[in-house]
Amino acid sequence: LAKTTQPISMDSYEGQEVNITCSHNNIATNDYITWYQQFPSQGPRFIIQGYKTKVTNEVASLFIPADRKSSTLSLPRVSLSDTAVYYCLASLSGGYNKLIFGAGTRLAVHP
Amino acid sequence: EPEVTQTPSHQVTQMGQEVILRCVPISNHLYFYWYRQILGQKVEFLVSFYNNEISEKSEIFDDQFSVERPDGSNFTLKIRSTKLEDSAMYFCASSELWSQGTTNEKLFFGSGTQLSVL
Repeated sequence: LAKTTQPISMDSYEGQEVNITCSHNNIATNDYITWYQQFPSQGPRFIIQGYKTKVTNEVASLFIPADRKSSTLSLPRVSLSDTAVYYCLASLSGGYNKLIFGAGTRLAVHP
Repeated sequence: EPEVTQTPSHQVTQMGQEVILRCVPISNHLYFYWYRQILGQKVEFLVSFYNNEISEKSEIFDDQFSVERPDGSNFTLKIRSTKLEDSAMYFCASSELWSQGTTNEKLFFGSGTQLSVL
């Protein structure tokens, strides 16, 4: 099972770029790397997904090196509203139709 | 963007009572899920459901829990005899499809039902 490890918390300031790294040393060939965002009292929200190299959408970029043992979520120019918990998922965790969330990274953006 | 809707947003019940949490998944989605989150803790998988049967379930999903898709639009979670430790936010989610053997599926979550067991 590809266990993911990411920092428990991070702090940033408005306008800065934030990079959250996730390690997944034993990721399987079939596994994608997916990031979700969760605001307080809301359900997680899909942000971005990738398999290798770089993926970019209107919200974030995802960098995945060739060995796929880690990935980095990049949030450009964060604002206060980006304060949330960010989850990295990289495994079926032993079953189909089942996504398992870890503890996530609690990002606090300060004025 | 289409969304998953959950009702009620808050539910208060007495220990030992039965509760039914309701969800309307996105209309063309085929896979349905329930997750829960105890205050301050991580999001925990409970169960996934496809083609009118359970696909996967966690250790949390014991005999006190059941799921049902009673019609073409609703997806429900029933807790038969609630316990204090069932107090949590319950999230319903749905996805369009699941590519077998990969994680490349996008789950859409509802806003949750806050269940308080007294």
